[in-house]
Amino acid sequence: DSGVTQTPKHLITATGQRVTLRCSPRSGDLSVYWYQQSLDQGLQFLIQYYNGEERAKGNILERFSAQQFPDLHSELNLSSLELGDSALYFCASSVVAGVNEQFFGPGTRLTVL
Amino acid sequence: GEDVEQSLFLSVREGDSSVINCTYTDSSSTYLYWYKQEPGAGLQLLTYIFSNMDMKQDQRLTVLLNKKDKHLSLRIADTQTGDSAIYFCAEAYNTDKLIFGTGTRLQVFP
Repeated sequence: DSGVTQTPKHLITATGQRVTLRCSPRSGDLSVYWYQQSLDQGLQFLIQYYNGEERAKGNILERFSAQQFPDLHSELNLSSLELGDSALYFCASSVVAGVNEQFFGPGTRLTVL
Repeated sequence: GEDVEQSLFLSVREGDSSVINCTYTDSSSTYLYWYKQEPGAGLQLLTYIFSNMDMKQDQRLTVLLNKKDKHLSLRIADTQTGDSAIYFCAEAYNTDKLIFGTGTRLQVFP
């Protein structure tokens, strides 16, 4: 158990809908990262927050957004969902920003029908 | 550019050593990582190596880094059935994001 929690574990929804994925980092970690794992794209970095502020952005679609709250938990919002958004979404956390160890949560499996 | 490549499959007999290979293209990578993903589970950090090191050993795991060839390997000694999983290498260069390889599925048979 990495100490990073993600909810829900599974999510099934329809195209065009909007969902919110939640992540609680390890106690004391200030940095949160979101990754997407799909069969065709592999594991890709989406976005990073550090102490409430966006720090780095990867291949995140405009339909997706995220935020980190004062209690350091983070939410990833996915809107206007398409079939191709079906994937496993991971959250990771680390103590600080900068190159360092990232600890991953168990992931949320999103299925868009 | 950022690209990390791994072979897709590796099959070994229980008790043998496994060697999983990875090549990367960003010669400025500062840290290189190995993660393990078991079925239905998240990614577990196994070990990492700084780019100024050639080798790192951690119990049954040995990481070798050849900077000239941009080649990273993970050796698992005395491989057990519990080691069956997908192994990802990842690189990070002065940024916080990890660039992951395609993953190598290790199958251990008795």
